[in-house]
This record gives sequence, C-alpha cells and structure tokens, in this order.
Amino acid sequence: DGGITQSPKYLFRKEGQNVTLSCEQNLNHDAMYWYRQDPGQGLRLIYYSQIVNDFQKGDIAEGYSVSREKKESFPLTVTSAQKNPTAFYLCATCGTGVAMEKLFFGSGTQLSVL
Amino acid sequence: GESVGLHLPTLSVQEGDNSIINCAYSNSASDYFIWYKQESGKGPQFIIDIRSNMDKRQGQRVTVLLNKTVKHLSLQIAATQPGDSAVYFCAGYLGAGSYQLTFGKGTKLSVIP
Repeated sequence: DGGITQSPKYLFRKEGQNVTLSCEQNLNHDAMYWYRQDPGQGLRLIYYSQIVNDFQKGDIAEGYSVSREKKESFPLTVTSAQKNPTAFYLCATCGTGVAMEKLFFGSGTQLSVL
Repeated sequence: GESVGLHLPTLSVQEGDNSIINCAYSNSASDYFIWYKQESGKGPQFIIDIRSNMDKRQGQRVTVLLNKTVKHLSLQIAATQPGDSAVYFCAGYLGAGSYQLTFGKGTKLSVIP
C-alpha cells in the first residue's frame, strides 16, 4: 500500500487461459517481488527482480512468467501451465536492491478459477 | 531446507493483556528478521525488524526479542487492543547475502473485548 498499486483486486481465470496481474510502484524502489499466499499459509516467493531487465526465479516459479521492462512495473503472468492458480497474489518492493532489507507490500490480487 | 516457522497457528488474548507470538528459524547464518501484520484481504504491513547484532528492539507497544542461541524470536504486543486482531508473520533472510525473504505460516491473533 501507499505507492504500490496492484490491479485488479479480483480476477477470474478460465481453463487454458493466461492472465496478467499488474504491479506498479512510484516509490523509486529498485527491487520488486511476487509472492503467492494460499489460505492459512505463509507467503511463497514466485519471482523477484533486483534491477530493470533482470529477474530470478523464486521457490515456485513453474507456471508463471514475469517481465521488468521499466523500474516502475513488474507484471506477473499466470499461464495455463499453472494448474492450481487460485490464490492471493502479493507484489512487494524493496528500496535498495541489495540483500536483506524490508519489503513493502501492495494490497494484493485474489485470483480464482471459473 | 531453510525455514522460518511459528509455534502456534492461533492465539486469543483478553483486551488489555500482553500478547506474545513466537517464531523459530533453522539457519544460523540468518542476519535479519521482520515481523508483519496482515489484516483480512490486505497486504502484510511492516511492524518491526531486528538484525542479528541485537537481542531486543522496541517500537510503539511492540518489542521483538531475538535469541540466537536457540534460534528463536518473539513479538510482544503490550496492552493488546481490538485493532491488533490480525495474522502475524515472522520472516527472515536465511543465509548471508540472501535476496529471498522467507515467511512462516502465521499466527492469527484474536482479541477478546
């Protein structure tokens, strides 16, 4: 919140469809992250990016793709290869792009399968 | 593998009492820990953090204690209020130079009026 905008708030996906979740920030932060949260669970890292045009896989990257063409934006695509996409998706940023700093989170996107 | 985890999934406290939420971690090289508060349907909100060169850090009504010997940290909330009802996560960077913040599963705190 406060400078990190995730949209849409709710998203529905049909079978075989790719969907893209948006994350925009105006904090001038270098690093951006995508986490997935399942009910009653902690957050699991999907992808992260420390600088523009560079990103790394997290613990559960299969079935997801990202791009980082601009510092402000880090969209996440949930592909049809992700067989269990229903979850709460959280985008986060970190100011310095160096290791071990606190993350700031957006308000999340709830993705459900029709 | 490396992990961060909480001891109890739920905690109920009387309004005005102190709350203590515990967390354990598995990596001795862990250098930095963060506590987050998450309300239903919202993103996690930063509460307080602590680095390994400290044993204790205090904020407004909150205190974090770090015991590196037993790899344990705790979040203490003084004079718990209804607005403190939420899920609390501990998170840590497990390994020097890590860019991956690892989260525990969370403790749901319920405040009884």
